[in-house]
Amino acid sequence: QLQLQESGPGLVKPSQTLSLTCTVSGGSISGSSYYWGWIRQPPGKGLEWIAMIYYSGNTYYSPSLKSRVTISVDSSKKQFSLRLNSVTAADSAIYYCARHLHDANLGLTGRYYYYYMDVWGKGTTVTVSS
Amino acid sequence: QSVLTQPPSVSGAPRQKVTISCSGSSSNIGKNYVSWYQQLPGTAPKLLIYDNNKRPSGIPDRFSGSKSGTSATLGITGLQTGDEADYFCATWDSSLSAGVFGGGTKLTVL
Repeated sequence: QLQLQESGPGLVKPSQTLSLTCTVSGGSISGSSYYWGWIRQPPGKGLEWIAMIYYSGNTYYSPSLKSRVTISVDSSKKQFSLRLNSVTAADSAIYYCARHLHDANLGLTGRYYYYYMDVWGKGTTVTVSS
Repeated sequence: QSVLTQPPSVSGAPRQKVTISCSGSSSNIGKNYVSWYQQLPGTAPKLLIYDNNKRPSGIPDRFSGSKSGTSATLGITGLQTGDEADYFCATWDSSLSAGVFGGGTKLTVL
């Protein structure tokens, strides 16, 4: 059974870089059509999509966070990582890693996508504070 | 401000039916498949519906999904107290080239 586990510091100082790692167990990180990514949830608020990466390195980023975010993958370790720089209190949240199914078909009106997140980690709380 | 729009809350009595709407645009729901997630208090979200109307193994058929144009709907029949949770819709946005979520709907079973 595929499982994901987030790890990283629970406290980060303002203006510094938040770094998190997600370790994949019980399955392969190199499956076709599966991306690996991050979602966050500020306290009492909704879900925010951050970024995702394919095992070969292809990436997608949230436009609102793209300038501060880097996602990377180490297939040999079955891990993928998130770096978010210049953090502020607004970046305090529960950070979830998840497996993303992302596939496309070509229809009469262009390309359309299958997309969902089927396996989630339990989440890790990150607080930005001095 | 979320890209997809959901009502903040819905409620229903036990054994009744509720629906939760998710409104988007031609670049997201209008073009791509929709998924739904259930988040019980203090837990990670769980996939409830994918590809607009398919249920993963283990999800009861009390949960259903549909899509029409730029809107999607989650239906829950036979409400149980254990269904009290936050529900989120999500899809791919072809213009943003990113995943997008609704703001979430809190379900209360009266």
